[in-house]
Amino acid sequence: GAGVSQTPSNKVTEKGKYVELRCDPISGHTALYWYRQSLGQGPEFLIYFQGTGAADDSGLPNDRFFAVRPEGSVSTLKIQRTERGDSAVYLCASSADTNTEAFFGQGTRLTVV
Amino acid sequence: TQLLEQSPQFLSIQEGENLTVYCNSSSVFSSLQWYRQEPGEGPVLLVTVVTGGEVKKLKRLTFQFGDARKDSSLHITAAQPGDTGLYLCAGDSGYSTLTFGKGTMLLVSP
Repeated sequence: GAGVSQTPSNKVTEKGKYVELRCDPISGHTALYWYRQSLGQGPEFLIYFQGTGAADDSGLPNDRFFAVRPEGSVSTLKIQRTERGDSAVYLCASSADTNTEAFFGQGTRLTVV
Repeated sequence: TQLLEQSPQFLSIQEGENLTVYCNSSSVFSSLQWYRQEPGEGPVLLVTVVTGGEVKKLKRLTFQFGDARKDSSLHITAAQPGDTGLYLCAGDSGYSTLTFGKGTMLLVSP
């Protein structure tokens, strides 16, 4: 497709389980961002990739969160030992390069029960 | 930590009314962006303002960036039901990542 695609759209998991969230950026976009949006809040930055490398991971809340982008395209956000407080919409965005317009996907709604 | 405060948090108006929402910070940003987000969707960029004092117009929407590049406003003229959504401002400190405000939820009733 032409836009940023995130899968799954919704994910319900039990506390303590491991989850993976996938982001397919717009083809050719070198920059990729993950944000987390809790209910009633604006998106909160998690991590930024330029190509295959994480250029800034200062927003990851703790070591249960990890993200990869092995081939510089698709990215996966991985959450270990999920907690109820991890419940949120996880948004992915991509841009052609640094400091150009970022396009957001529709997000993955994660619910930890 | 850079924070962006948006006001009001919620606004419910009738079709045809005018409104202004505000985005304020104690920090200087290299640019500031406004987004609109609809339920179940990601934010969509409306405008980027870069220069202090800059005014940009997008049809019925007027965006202003403060002279000191710390605050911004969005004014909508003759609001329509299609304007309903969450309006987010986001500051770019120059390191490629955005700091978002909590947003203003706008509801325009016919």
